[in-house]
Amino acid sequence: GQNIDQPTEMTATEGAIVQINCTYQTSGFNGLFWYQQHAGEAPTFLSYNVLDGLEEKGRFSSFLSRSKGYSYLLLKELQMKDSASYLCAPSDSNYQLIWGAGTKLIIKP
Amino acid sequence: GAVVSQHPSRVICKSGTSVKIECRSLDFQATTMFWYRQFPKQSLMLMATSNEGSKATYEQGVEKDKFLINHASLTLSTLTVTSAHPEDSSFYICSAQPEVGGYNEQFFGPGTRLTVL
Repeated sequence: GQNIDQPTEMTATEGAIVQINCTYQTSGFNGLFWYQQHAGEAPTFLSYNVLDGLEEKGRFSSFLSRSKGYSYLLLKELQMKDSASYLCAPSDSNYQLIWGAGTKLIIKP
Repeated sequence: GAVVSQHPSRVICKSGTSVKIECRSLDFQATTMFWYRQFPKQSLMLMATSNEGSKATYEQGVEKDKFLINHASLTLSTLTVTSAHPEDSSFYICSAQPEVGGYNEQFFGPGTRLTVL
C-alpha cells in the first residue's frame, strides 16, 4: 500500500530551527512536494524534490533520499507566522499526490 | 502565475438543497483538476479527479451521484453537492494541475466552507 509517516505535532521556539521528517511508501515515485497549510486555509506550495539531495529556498530547505523513502523540511529563523501544518506529498507512478495527515507546527515566543 | 479561484468561499444552506462550487484556473489550462474535502483537524481527503471532457474518477467511498463533478473546460470544474445534509458540512478544496506527467504541482484554490443546517 501507499502511506506517509510524519510526526503529528511539533513545537519550536521563535528564531530557532526545526526539521520535519517524512517517510513514505508509494507505488512508483515521481518527486515529492511539501505544502504549508494554515488553519482554515488551502495548502500552499513550499518545495519540490525529484532528485536526491537538498533544495534550499530562503528560510526553507527540503531534502530527499529516494533509496530510503525519506524527506525532511528544514525551517530556519522561525517566525510566529510559520505556525501551520506541513504536508509531505510524494507523487506516485500515476503522478497522483499521496497525502498524509501532516505535521502541525506550533511556534512559541 | 498559476492562480486558482474557487467560488463561493463560504456557503450556508438548508438540509436537502444542492450546492454548486466552481473552481477556475485563471492563468493556465488545467489538464486535471482535483476535489478534496477536509474535516476539522483532519488531513486532506481526495474525493475525485477530473479531466476535461471525461467523467471524473471518484475515490472509494465517495458517492458519485451525490457529488457531481463536471469538468466542462480546461479552466473550469464544478462540484455539486446534491441533497446536502449536515454531515456534508466540511471544507471543500479544489486544485488544478497544468500538465500530465513531469512536474506535477497542484495549485490549490482558497477553499469553500460549506455549512448545512
